[in-house]
Amino acid sequence: DTAVSQTPKYLVTQMGNDKSIKCEQNLGHDTMYWYKQDSKKFLKIMFSYNNKELIINETVPNRFSPKSPDKAHLNLHINSLELGDSAVYFCASSPQGSVYEQYFGPGTRLTVT
Amino acid sequence: SQQGEEDPQALSIQEGENATMNCSYKTSINNLQWYRQNSGRGLVHLILIRSNEREKHSGRLRVTLDTSKKSSSLLITASRAADTASYFCATGLLGAQKLVFGQGTRLTINP
Repeated sequence: DTAVSQTPKYLVTQMGNDKSIKCEQNLGHDTMYWYKQDSKKFLKIMFSYNNKELIINETVPNRFSPKSPDKAHLNLHINSLELGDSAVYFCASSPQGSVYEQYFGPGTRLTVT
Repeated sequence: SQQGEEDPQALSIQEGENATMNCSYKTSINNLQWYRQNSGRGLVHLILIRSNEREKHSGRLRVTLDTSKKSSSLLITASRAADTASYFCATGLLGAQKLVFGQGTRLTINP
């Protein structure tokens, strides 16, 4: 019973392509997040949705577009992939906001060649 | 610049010893959390300490928070090989709906 799941686990693609990463949580949480972890392990928030509504949009290129069809799902679509997009992307969820602990998915390792 | 900074960046100790990691932050917080990340895996929540708390325990973990110094420490007692991982502090900022993570401490427990 995976609490927060992501697909795919690995993604290798060429520059210029468009790709999507999917995330689902079965915890009944209201808030979901996308994080990017770079090669130095620095974890930075990208987006946050609360009950399908976008509440955080950090300084992220507009090639990245999150979509939340319902509060259990948060997908990330990336257009025109660049070498610098190579990283591990984590989805997370929490009951609501930053006052609660977050539950992380296993990550998607994106490699752009 | 980052909100949270961990110290040391890497720590290597013998099994059975205690491990202490520190985290400093810059702005006012609602809470501070510690997470563990095993190699190639997602982060796992360890402990949350609120801004009005000074110390919290969970099993072999002890967390302290000093809001006057804007710092926290994580102590793992009687370390085990399975504790080998990266440990991150994350601050829940006042008035913000997000956590800001530090760069982590890479802990290695030698058998």
